[in-house]
Amino acid sequence: DAKTTQPNSMESNEEEPVHLPCNHSTISGTDYIHWYRQLPSQGPEYVIHGLTSNVNNRMASLAIAEDRKSSTLILHRATLRDAAVYYCILRLYSGGGADGLTFGKGTHLIIQP
Amino acid sequence: ETGVTQSPTHLIKTRGQQVTLRCSSQSGHNTVSWYQQALGQGPQFIFQYYREEENGRGNFPPRFSGLQFPNYSSELNVNALELDDSALYLCASSLEVAGGSETQYFGPGTRLLVL
Repeated sequence: DAKTTQPNSMESNEEEPVHLPCNHSTISGTDYIHWYRQLPSQGPEYVIHGLTSNVNNRMASLAIAEDRKSSTLILHRATLRDAAVYYCILRLYSGGGADGLTFGKGTHLIIQP
Repeated sequence: ETGVTQSPTHLIKTRGQQVTLRCSSQSGHNTVSWYQQALGQGPQFIFQYYREEENGRGNFPPRFSGLQFPNYSSELNVNALELDDSALYLCASSLEVAGGSETQYFGPGTRLLVL
């Protein structure tokens, strides 16, 4: 899987939007962009994924740059429960799941009340 | 719908011993992946099982082995435990689909401490 770069940590205030960036300049045309998060003392949790177009679900939105070299996970209204480590992961389209998810260090999101 | 469950939650072993960790997949999922997460690090892929066969492996030695059963539950076995094997072991289940859109659902993990 291609490499991703994320900030080590970010801080935001409760009830405000949060934009978590991810750079993936070596992305191939068939890589999906996945986001997972890991709350303290829990296993990772799927958040959202996309290929080319922006995506929305009940948890978050994913904005993908036109050249696909970067993406942003958007939490529209952060709560204290969103404090977690957020991982941006690329998955090769033709590779299926046999190589597993490649987690980096992720972004540690801190939410201030 | 039952989520992914793992047992035991915590385990203490001594160096050189063997350990077996267990995972029950989410209903309807046919694929199980195992990960090792050291303190302060992201999870590292160990291997994946699909229809009872190992179909992918990360950079882990052969003393890490696994099984998947007809009901898609799974075991992770680690022989000759070393101190560095102390970690959180995560199981994730998924429905194998073509392409990179597969979503994995993780269990809460088993915390292994090797003394």
